[in-house]
Amino acid sequence: GQQLNQSPQSMFIQEGEDVSMNCTSSSIFNTWLWYKQDPGEGPVLLIALYKAGELTSNGRLTAQFGITRKDSFLNISASIPSDVGIYFCAGHDFGNEKLTFGTGTRLTIIP
Amino acid sequence: ETGVTQSPTHLIKTRGQQVTLRCSSQSGHNTVSWYQQALGQGPQFIFQYYREEENGRGNFPPRFSGLQFPNYSSELNVNALELDDSALYLCASSFRGNSPLHFGNGTRLTVT
Repeated sequence: GQQLNQSPQSMFIQEGEDVSMNCTSSSIFNTWLWYKQDPGEGPVLLIALYKAGELTSNGRLTAQFGITRKDSFLNISASIPSDVGIYFCAGHDFGNEKLTFGTGTRLTIIP
Repeated sequence: ETGVTQSPTHLIKTRGQQVTLRCSSQSGHNTVSWYQQALGQGPQFIFQYYREEENGRGNFPPRFSGLQFPNYSSELNVNALELDDSALYLCASSFRGNSPLHFGNGTRLTVT
């Protein structure tokens, strides 16, 4: 099935660094969502974006809905150990019941 | 507020067998969706249920079927299991009207 392109595929950073990841699609979405998944658990919603150009923050996390509606980025500032995990973007289109997920970005913090 | 709960957490089946996975939606949610997540990949949409009827389906064969009950809980049934059906099966609930999905912790199915 279709998956959105996320980059980078993996990141190795030191605690305290800022992180940036993005997600691109060949088709337009009306809603962009960012989820985080820890091992053995389901994805947890971080941020939801509903309008093109929208910039939304949730604590140290900031995400933007691209103007073209075909992309989104997520930034994490001042990373901490609990930020470790896999981050997924997901797009939703009105009239279509499914979420289309990205391929994931695995974040690892180097001691 | 009770979140999405799934059972069982782990399951091992043999090729050709049938399996039923269960999901209780988050309180206040009336829509349930099922996703399959293969190792190292993002979740793939199987189908969604609203008002006890299938309301959208992904690219999965008919041997994947489901039910939604009046209390909004749901079941995913898979017949004639194949080795490639080994995956994490995620249930997600939402309130009809484009609210974000909230996921359970999944059922890890292994087919041998």
